[in-house]
Amino acid sequence: QVTLRESGPALVKPTQTLTLTCTFSGFSLSTSEMCVSWIRQSPGKALEWLARIDWDDDKHYRTSLKTRLTISKDTSKNQVVLTMTNMDPVDTGTYYCARRAGNSGLDYWGRGTVVTVSS
Amino acid sequence: DVVMTQSPLSLPVTLGQSASISCRSSQSLVYSDGDTYLTWFQQRPGQSPRRLIYKVSNRDSGVPDRFSGSGSGTDFTLKISRVEAEDVGVYYCMQGTHWPLTFGGGTKVEIK
Repeated sequence: QVTLRESGPALVKPTQTLTLTCTFSGFSLSTSEMCVSWIRQSPGKALEWLARIDWDDDKHYRTSLKTRLTISKDTSKNQVVLTMTNMDPVDTGTYYCARRAGNSGLDYWGRGTVVTVSS
Repeated sequence: DVVMTQSPLSLPVTLGQSASISCRSSQSLVYSDGDTYLTWFQQRPGQSPRRLIYKVSNRDSGVPDRFSGSGSGTDFTLKISRVEAEDVGVYYCMQGTHWPLTFGGGTKVEIK
């Protein structure tokens, strides 16, 4: 059974760095063609893909946020970590991690974690 | 980035009737391998997105056969036949052919 769970602070101040952790089970990120992505959903806005890390440690970032994002994995702990620097109130939203297995796309999502950026 | 345009924004439906959601992309979603990476998600109130359909028309395990996907190139449709109360929520299309992945703005399905 595949599950993913996001965790991190519910509230961060402007200019601070956000660190989110995705803890998963039911698959291994060392298996070929496995990937984990981060997606966010700001209030009243569409879903926005942020970053992805692949089984071979290849990393992909949303171009407009590339300078602020870092994604990493700890295969032994079944975790993927996303950091986002210089947080702004417009970054407020629900952050999801999701799995991609092979070329069928994002198949399993976590429940999401709500992040509010406010002083 | 590829723009995904969904219509309508809101779709009131009578129980037992059918509903269709349109998704149009600003570029063809046919990838160099011949596949078309168009996915449909359902997001029920208070829940995370759930994948319903992948590669245009492949239904996920456990998804009722009332849900079907069709289309090609830049024009895609999600059809829900015989709408049930549990189908209430927001439906999103997503393209995975071009970087970065992009989503449609969502269509809210509600019961009349």
